[in-house]
Amino acid sequence: LAKTTQPISMDSYEGQEVNITCSHNNIATNDYITWYQQFPSQGPRFIIQGYKTKVTNEVASLFIPADRKSSTLSLPRVSLSDTAVYYCLVGEPPSGTYKYIFGTGTRLKVLA
Amino acid sequence: NAGVTQTPKFQVLKTGQSMTLQCAQDMNHEYMSWYRQDPGMGLRLIHYSVGAGITDQGEVPNGYNVSRSTTEDFPLRLLSAAPSQTSVYFCASSLSTYSSTDTQYFGPGTRLTVL
Repeated sequence: LAKTTQPISMDSYEGQEVNITCSHNNIATNDYITWYQQFPSQGPRFIIQGYKTKVTNEVASLFIPADRKSSTLSLPRVSLSDTAVYYCLVGEPPSGTYKYIFGTGTRLKVLA
Repeated sequence: NAGVTQTPKFQVLKTGQSMTLQCAQDMNHEYMSWYRQDPGMGLRLIHYSVGAGITDQGEVPNGYNVSRSTTEDFPLRLLSAAPSQTSVYFCASSLSTYSSTDTQYFGPGTRLTVL
């Protein structure tokens, strides 16, 4: 199983940049890395995805080193509304059917 | 598009009762799955389906049954409810089954309490 490891929780202050790192030592060659965000009492929602180097969208940036054994989600200038749980996902090694296994996620708390 | 819908939103059961959580999607997605999320914890995969008539077990399948008779619907059945099944249940779907690039879309969840 491709397994991910993330910090359990992080605190930050409004206006700061937040970086959340995920380890995925057994990532398969064809796998992408996907991050989801979950607010309290809601289902997770997609925020960003990448394969290598850097990806940026209107919400976040994703940095992936050449060996792809880890990835870092970067949230610029966080606000209170960014308080959520952030999950990093990679797939199982190529074996046909896909399973999306979520880890424990990182609980981000943004303080005023 | 309504996306992924789940019913009911809330449910209270007594130990030993059975019930079915409903999940439907209108995006013609092949892949559907059920997760449970216990308080303060991450999501754990219960069962998933890669198409009508095809289902498989996830991480925590015991005590749950699923079936997929149509592309749109993926109900989750609790056979004999236990207090350990108190949780929030999320249904999700994605377009295909063979690519890690596909985005999963989640329903709003069903909050289940077993007394």
